[in-house]
Amino acid sequence: DAGVIQSPRHEVTEMGQEVTLRCKPISGHNSLFWYRQTMMRGLELLIYFNNNVPIDDSGMPEDRFSAKMPNASFSTLKIQPSEPRDSAVYFCASSEQGVKQTQYFGPGTRLLVL
Amino acid sequence: GDSVTQMEGPVTLSEEAFLTINCTYTATGYPSLFWYVQYPGEGLQLLLKATKADDKGSNKGFEATYRKETTSFHLEKGSVQVSDSAVYFCALSDGGIKAAGNKLTFGGGTRVLVKP
Repeated sequence: DAGVIQSPRHEVTEMGQEVTLRCKPISGHNSLFWYRQTMMRGLELLIYFNNNVPIDDSGMPEDRFSAKMPNASFSTLKIQPSEPRDSAVYFCASSEQGVKQTQYFGPGTRLLVL
Repeated sequence: GDSVTQMEGPVTLSEEAFLTINCTYTATGYPSLFWYVQYPGEGLQLLLKATKADDKGSNKGFEATYRKETTSFHLEKGSVQVSDSAVYFCALSDGGIKAAGNKLTFGGGTRVLVKP
């Protein structure tokens, strides 16, 4: 089975540009999570969806960040405009719906904003 | 709210040494507990989990026992290898609160370096 797929794997952009990160969850998984990982702040949950509906977006740092899940097999995380402090590794994870389910992580997108 | 505290690293060991990474938690419900491992340049992978008190999770020679009385879930391995060099994350999912769903609360991660 294919795991969680993220694209691109690496992204280098200039400050002010729009960045879109993409995620395809594992087929049959109803919950999807976006995380950000930095050396300074560790692993942070940004937002998560159940059945394509955003449940908790309290971790989204500011209005420049937005996430969508138009269907069960695709989600995007957009940063507009990007800033150097957004440089991080962004992970997507998915799980079956319900409590105590294991989350499966994608390989991450390494973002560098110059 | 829920929280997970794990020992800070880095932890540097020689091959075949015994490894312990401490993890304690606070939760309002009845959490499941997890250890995830992150190898360099990769995403997190589930290493093991335990869903109720006194359960022992095990995988790849690693073990952790869910201790409700001490709110702990320490990770152990009897003989580490160079290939175990990674960052280890302790996490909980508070299954007792429906609103939390299966949201995970992570510890800060512990970097382990095993030298030959």
